[in-house]
Amino acid sequence: DILMTRSPATLSLSPGERATLSCRASQSVSSSYLSWCWQKPGQTPRLLIYGASTRATGIPARFSGGVSGTDFTLTISRLEPEDFAVYYCQQYGSSPLTFGGGTKVEIK
Amino acid sequence: QVQLVQSGAEVKKPGASVKVSCKASGYTFTGYYMHWVRQAPGQGLEWMGWINCDSGGTNYAQKFQGRVTMTRDTSISTAYMELSRLRSDDTAVYYCARQLPTDYWGQGTLVTVSS
Repeated sequence: DILMTRSPATLSLSPGERATLSCRASQSVSSSYLSWCWQKPGQTPRLLIYGASTRATGIPARFSGGVSGTDFTLTISRLEPEDFAVYYCQQYGSSPLTFGGGTKVEIK
Repeated sequence: QVQLVQSGAEVKKPGASVKVSCKASGYTFTGYYMHWVRQAPGQGLEWMGWINCDSGGTNYAQKFQGRVTMTRDTSISTAYMELSRLRSDDTAVYYCARQLPTDYWGQGTLVTVSS
């Protein structure tokens, strides 16, 4: 199984600041089949990024995804109030599909 | 528009089984896989497996092998996830999701396992 290790567990930032979230895979992720989603309390997950760097429909340009080897990053260039949520990475290149543990982005 | 509507909350005793349904609309049901993901209270997301809604073929996470059964009824565009021999740590919200990664998720079904 591919273990996805996220860091940090919690990110405390102010609106307007830059957020950088990381996910490290324990082995190569096939064809950069890595997605990011976000979830607010009581809501279903929402897709942000797939293919490591492609924004899903309707996702603003302040969200970007990157990859270097087995290290994946999600960057939010300037945090908006609605961006405070829990973010999950997920690899879907091999079975079983695996999620990272989630990074909570909270208001400082 | 694509919609996935799941069955309502369930309360079960340890050792029992639960079957959650996921009715799809707004797209060709047999054109996609349906995944099931669960989330224990205050915890992260956990993938359980998928079903090919066309062929009925399945792929389950090792953790759930022998306890989970995913089926579908193409005549009513509905997928099902049945989990047996329930334990207290199976208490979670269970989601169906159309072909991960996706923005199409069911609303979630809370399954509570308690004696």
